[in-house]
Amino acid sequence: GAVVSQHPSRVICKSGTSVKIECRSLDFQATTMFWYRQFPKQSLMLMATSNEGSKATYEQGVEKDKFLINHASLTLSTLTVTSAHPEDSSFYICSASLAFYEQYFGPGTRLTVT
Amino acid sequence: DAKTTQPTSMDCAEGRAANLPCNHSTISGNEYVYWYRQIHSQGPQYIIHGLKNNETNEMASLIITEDRKSSTLILPHATLRDTAVYYCIAGGSQGNLIFGKGTKLSVKP
Repeated sequence: GAVVSQHPSRVICKSGTSVKIECRSLDFQATTMFWYRQFPKQSLMLMATSNEGSKATYEQGVEKDKFLINHASLTLSTLTVTSAHPEDSSFYICSASLAFYEQYFGPGTRLTVT
Repeated sequence: DAKTTQPTSMDCAEGRAANLPCNHSTISGNEYVYWYRQIHSQGPQYIIHGLKNNETNEMASLIITEDRKSSTLILPHATLRDTAVYYCIAGGSQGNLIFGKGTKLSVKP
């Protein structure tokens, strides 16, 4: 099946620094990728939709200047959490769309901001 | 996207069929029903989707009522590895999935 990877799997950073998370579709090209966030014991929350070569579409309440998304190629999307704060600590998950009904999710990145 | 309602948790004996219900009474005519599952601390996994007709694949069967207001995901022979949170999502074809709280399925030996 289709595989999506994320890097890093875990990251600890200090408050005020920026962190970049990579999402790659390893064996297929994805025009569209999605970024989600999941707090402990909660469901996934869609943050943004990323289309290759164009600006991301952010969900209501998600700060686009804080969560920078770049989708420069059909196999790579990056999420940069700028000026991270402890409340940004969460599980960040990306997905890549192979077909409209079938998304393949990455294994997630656990971000801890100290 | 239509809102879905699922039981918070369910138990199932290993080897038996697991039937997970989902209510989506406000689903619109062009919205699909998607099922994903998430095993602890991993990314979700696609299971199945449908529009009007019942669907079956190697993982599960999806039964959608004629009025499309509810559906049931069936895992025919549940194993311990099927223990996960199962999400029923009603949405369009844009691909932006809105996850609810899901059903925590515990398969017990």
